[in-house]
Amino acid sequence: DGGITQSPKYLFRKEGQNVTLSCEQNLNHDAMYWYRQDPGQGLRLIYYSQIVNDFQKGDIAEGYSVSREKKESFPLTVTSAQKNPTAFYLCASRFAGDAFFGQGTRLTVV
Amino acid sequence: AQSVTQLGSHVSVSEGALVLLRCNYSSSVPPYLFWYVQYPNQGLQLLLKYTSAATLVKGINGFEAEFKKSETSFHLTKPSAHMSDAAEYFCAVSPTDSWGKLQFGAGTQVVVTP
Repeated sequence: DGGITQSPKYLFRKEGQNVTLSCEQNLNHDAMYWYRQDPGQGLRLIYYSQIVNDFQKGDIAEGYSVSREKKESFPLTVTSAQKNPTAFYLCASRFAGDAFFGQGTRLTVV
Repeated sequence: AQSVTQLGSHVSVSEGALVLLRCNYSSSVPPYLFWYVQYPNQGLQLLLKYTSAATLVKGINGFEAEFKKSETSFHLTKPSAHMSDAAEYFCAVSPTDSWGKLQFGAGTQVVVTP
């Protein structure tokens, strides 16, 4: 089936460690997005990519990094510089205006 | 710059009553507008979208929304609420390309009471 796969669904990390969240799509979409979701704050845009080897910062990019080496993949690294990384992270791809979302990764930093 | 504001973080409706969720947008150019629904611990699902064609847009599950440029609004309605409509709803805005910055409101949690 076509879609967006985020892995893992739950992730636990110790404070100070970098962690990479996976996002893969087989929809052949050019644009991909990463959002962070916290209760009462909706979805906040971290990074987005409109084409391979190119990406732009969103509204809350500090403490995060991304790469887009392949059309299908847009991994997000949460670095130790991110002050409050515990959150629900959502990846999306977009075609003809419509965004399609993965099931999310819940990251907990202890 | 573009943004959306959703009025009301929580809405409670009785089963069978009208559902009305409010969204106002701010954009320097005519935008695309979207409504998404999210069930607990899941991703978002597109309900409907406005892309500068008809101002009254019909979506899935009986929802519809009307684009009103004069009021910069894109409110979501459903004539009769069902228990399965209990979820969180997000309004979103983007430029009128297919791959630009897509930004979301803070969300409205809908509770449906018997």
